[in-house]
Amino acid sequence: DAMVIQNPRYQVTQFGKPVTLSCSQTLNHNVMYWYQQKSSQAPKLLFHYYDKDFNNEADTPDNFQSRRPNTSFCFLDIRSPGLGDAAMYLCATSRGSGRDQETQYFGPGTRLLVL
Amino acid sequence: GENVEQHPSTLSVQEGDSAVIKCTYSDSASNYFPWYKQELGKRPQLIIDIRSNVGEKKDQRIAVTLNKTAKHFSLHITETQPEDSAVYFCAASREKLTFGTGTRLTIIP
Repeated sequence: DAMVIQNPRYQVTQFGKPVTLSCSQTLNHNVMYWYQQKSSQAPKLLFHYYDKDFNNEADTPDNFQSRRPNTSFCFLDIRSPGLGDAAMYLCATSRGSGRDQETQYFGPGTRLLVL
Repeated sequence: GENVEQHPSTLSVQEGDSAVIKCTYSDSASNYFPWYKQELGKRPQLIIDIRSNVGEKKDQRIAVTLNKTAKHFSLHITETQPEDSAVYFCAASREKLTFGTGTRLTIIP
């Protein structure tokens, strides 16, 4: 009965080699988020989609891109991973942004290792 | 933008005692305040939340209080148990979540 699913759970990539992380949801939520979380730190929002509308955080590096081909799926593309991009990447969803719709549900995360 | 400060960064309490974690926020327009618990290597899990029209909310051993005037909110855990050991994050939201820096809570058996 997993609601927010992330694959893979662990991803190893080489320095500079493009990598794609995936997220899917069975909740039919309108909003999907990507967060980066480094050890002992709070999750940091990279971007989010409200339906098909893409919203990028001002300090998200250009190296990070995202795609949402349909309601259920969202992808995080890292074009040229650097050592500093090693982190846990968390996907989250919410019904919307209005009252009673903003509760976010997190997936289990993908831990990215860059060699 | 919103800025959320969280204290303390680490907290150790004896099993059975109470734990209190405090957060302050800067944006008076924030209207939703969730608390997440994150165990090592796992996802953040929502444990309780409060909206700006409510001053206090309780769910069994967990309670949250909100003071909108002072722009601070607190998490209270009573009768702590070893399984309460985790990192706790507060957050404030107007349109998106801004997280506090986290509190590592350790329950000493």
